[in-house]
Amino acid sequence: DAMVIQNPRYQVTQFGKPVTLSCSQTLNHNVMYWYQQKSSQAPKLLFHYYDKDFNNEADTPDNFQSRRPNTSFCFLDIRSPGLGDAAMYLCATSRDLAGGNQPQHFGDGTRLSIL
Amino acid sequence: AQKITQTQPGMFVQEKEAVTLDCTYDTSDPSYGLFWYKQPSSGEMIFLIYQGSYDQQNATEGRYSLNFQKARKSANLVISASQLGDSAMYFCAMRPLNNNAGNMLTFGGGTRLMVKP
Repeated sequence: DAMVIQNPRYQVTQFGKPVTLSCSQTLNHNVMYWYQQKSSQAPKLLFHYYDKDFNNEADTPDNFQSRRPNTSFCFLDIRSPGLGDAAMYLCATSRDLAGGNQPQHFGDGTRLSIL
Repeated sequence: AQKITQTQPGMFVQEKEAVTLDCTYDTSDPSYGLFWYKQPSSGEMIFLIYQGSYDQQNATEGRYSLNFQKARKSANLVISASQLGDSAMYFCAMRPLNNNAGNMLTFGGGTRLMVKP
């Protein structure tokens, strides 16, 4: 059973038209992450939430925002998508921010295309 | 700062043979964790195996094992008895284990493995 669910799997939007990607989790994990992954590249962390605390990576463009209304859901909002934002967007969770052998659990990703 | 290097952008292996995917890392943290993830063409990232820097034994998980050489700062993934379904991108990742660092992963550039029938 899927534990980190991303909707939709494929999203097409127009240049400059706001788009929202969704992630939900059934693991009751405290931390949720959003990654951007461009073709043949490693995932790049955009930001994460620890509970309701939002942490933005220093090089994440202002065009990218996130919301976490409750433990289970987290949204990625792209206010004005440009052609360079076409990528796979991966959501992940972890139980907390502490060390140890906890892996991050990833969803299936949303592949975003910009027309 | 941490850095992960995967020097093999692509590899072929014959079905049923073993294959080693290389991963070297650089970090100033005294304790750290190393992870391998598999990413099929469908896109999901699947956790495979974990190695802690202070673990005395190399990690194993089914057909996956980790050849961890701390002095050489390498954590190579060994897949035994390759199957067609092993064809995917493989990412090596690491993070510090001190509680102030968070659970932030640093990923390598990935290796694309192709299993030949």
